Amino acid sequence: GDSVTQMEGPVTLSEEAFLTINCTYTATGYPSLFWYVQYPGEGLQLLLKATKADDKGSNKGFEATYRKETTSFHLEKGSVQVSDSAVYFCARSSNTGKLIFGQGTTLQVKP
Amino acid sequence: EAQVTQNPRYLITVTGKKLTVTCSQNMNHEYMSWYRQDPGLGLRQIYYSMNVEVTDKGDVPEGYKVSRKEKRNFPLILESPSPNQTSLYFCASSRPETGYGHEQYFGPGTRLTVT
Repeated sequence: GDSVTQMEGPVTLSEEAFLTINCTYTATGYPSLFWYVQYPGEGLQLLLKATKADDKGSNKGFEATYRKETTSFHLEKGSVQVSDSAVYFCARSSNTGKLIFGQGTTLQVKP
Repeated sequence: EAQVTQNPRYLITVTGKKLTVTCSQNMNHEYMSWYRQDPGLGLRQIYYSMNVEVTDKGDVPEGYKVSRKEKRNFPLILESPSPNQTSLYFCASSRPETGYGHEQYFGPGTRLTVT
């Protein structure tokens, strides 16, 4: 069935390091792809999205490109900050309206 | 302010005692949904509703009920809670976009503990 797979965490980085969180999805149809972020004690917030192949979503210095040929949507940021510490979820849409989530990747950024 | 609200935010209860978690959105969204979040499993959909009086099961509906009598409200009902329903619950809403857009807005979450 439809699924999303994220790299396992936790990921621990020093401030200003480069971040990549890998995400791949099963390719039935042409889903929209999303990255959501969950800060400690809070709900999920949409970080960025892409709705078709080769689209690049970007927000707050984060980027992800919809790669149809590799069914991937990897999240990147050039220079992370302590305030980026959170849990990141990759998700794809489905034809019932639900979002199909990866298991989440915890990012911890140390000063 | 556009938002999804949930109540209560935290709840500790005992096995078998019926409870309701409320969810309300002020964005006039047709689509509403409940998810549960468990460590290592991400978020899984419990139930969803395409519009008033239209609900359907998600991936993990056992032990839950929902209703959609008004567009803005989508309560989650646990008739006889059990410890395996201890989890973090999120309500979400969206306005269906063309194709498979479905960007969803999430509430702050309800942490439920069943002893």
